[in-house]
Amino acid sequence: GQSLEQPSEVTAVEGAIVQINCTYQTSGFYGLSWYQQHDGGAPTFLSYNGLDGLEETGRFSSFLSRSDSYGYLLLQELQMKDSASYFCVPLQGGKLIFGQGTELSVKP
Amino acid sequence: GAVVSQHPSRVICKSGTSVKIECRSLDFQATTMFWYRQFPKQSLMLMATSNEGSKATYEQGVEKDKFLINHASLTLSTLTVTSAHPEDSSFYICSARPWPGQGIGELFFGEGSRLTVL
Repeated sequence: GQSLEQPSEVTAVEGAIVQINCTYQTSGFYGLSWYQQHDGGAPTFLSYNGLDGLEETGRFSSFLSRSDSYGYLLLQELQMKDSASYFCVPLQGGKLIFGQGTELSVKP
Repeated sequence: GAVVSQHPSRVICKSGTSVKIECRSLDFQATTMFWYRQFPKQSLMLMATSNEGSKATYEQGVEKDKFLINHASLTLSTLTVTSAHPEDSSFYICSARPWPGQGIGELFFGEGSRLTVL
């Protein structure tokens, strides 16, 4: 089984920093992925944490703490185009099971 | 990055007909592909895992006789919605993990297929 918690909605202004938290309970946990999906589009891969710690890719960073079953996605220097849904997705037995996601709205 | 192509992007059909959706990995081989469906304003729901050369593994609650999956080659998986009904109207998205893999947590998604059943 699996349970996931992340905020349903987050609003921030252009240029700001936003952190989207994710807690999970998953059997057979391998690691945590983050995906972005714009309205009407397909999800795109942002990052994957297989080990504890911080992974940085440009303006996006992702963190994982296995002992706390917790991760977050950090988005810096927010741009309007970052308005989208963001999913933390535990890798469970080779499968990626999506939760409800967080809808991020970036305002001018 | 790796490219997954999905076709058709939109399809409208009459109730009772069958619809086939193709998912191709264009520049890599994929022994495993995944099929998701997504209703408006909802998350992606994993329907099944498609394995090259063997039967698909369906998630609980997904009717395997309704959603036929064939993964005949390392670059092509197909989803056939049989005897479609209006409640099957949805956004169907395939994804693939390159093999040999470069990132276990990374899936490449097709553009999705929006099915409308009248």
